[in-house]
Amino acid sequence: SQTIHQWPATLVQPVGSPLSLECTVEGTSNPNLYWYRQAAGRGLQLLFYSVGIGQISSEVPQNLSASRPQDRQFILSSKKLLLSDSGFYLCAWTRQGNEQFFGPGTRLTVL
Amino acid sequence: AQSVTQLDSQVPVFEEAPVELRCNYSSSVSVYLFWYVQYPNQGLQLLLKYLSGSTLVESINGFEAEFNKSQTSFHLRKPSVHISDTAEYFCAVSDCGGGSYIPTFGRGTSLIVHP
Repeated sequence: SQTIHQWPATLVQPVGSPLSLECTVEGTSNPNLYWYRQAAGRGLQLLFYSVGIGQISSEVPQNLSASRPQDRQFILSSKKLLLSDSGFYLCAWTRQGNEQFFGPGTRLTVL
Repeated sequence: AQSVTQLDSQVPVFEEAPVELRCNYSSSVSVYLFWYVQYPNQGLQLLLKYLSGSTLVESINGFEAEFNKSQTSFHLRKPSVHISDTAEYFCAVSDCGGGSYIPTFGRGTSLIVHP
């Protein structure tokens, strides 16, 4: 069966510090991968998606970036965090057009 | 382009009462339809989906949704809710023709079940 992992589960970082969140998927190959952010009391905001190794599409301009160094690994990064980067970050994978499978999420607090 | 509208941001209800969470969508192509549930501090989990066939789909925990093509709706219902159903519910659509890699989510409805 397929499994999706995210780490860390929680993170508290100062403004201006770097960020690296990791997502890995097991039990499937060549998945479409997604990074979402949920701000408090708001819906899902799609940040990035990837249909293959090294292929990244950005949905919103921001100080975040994403990379896909391996087929089942998706990394979200920032060189300098802003207060507005606080939120709940979710990784997900899918077979095109069908349901998405979400990871457990990372709660990021920027102080 | 697709869009999903969840008209109610919050739905309070008493335990054992019926509930309906509304979802309307717009799309120029045929779509798959989904409801996801999110418990506090967790990721989203698929509740039920409509891909084809019977327009009424059911989940294992008593929820059901009916695809109404003429009204472009996919409302979620449960005849008797439990305290444990308190969660955020998201409606979503995706292009079943494979033309887009990106599903479209509604803004979510917070279901609050009171004892």
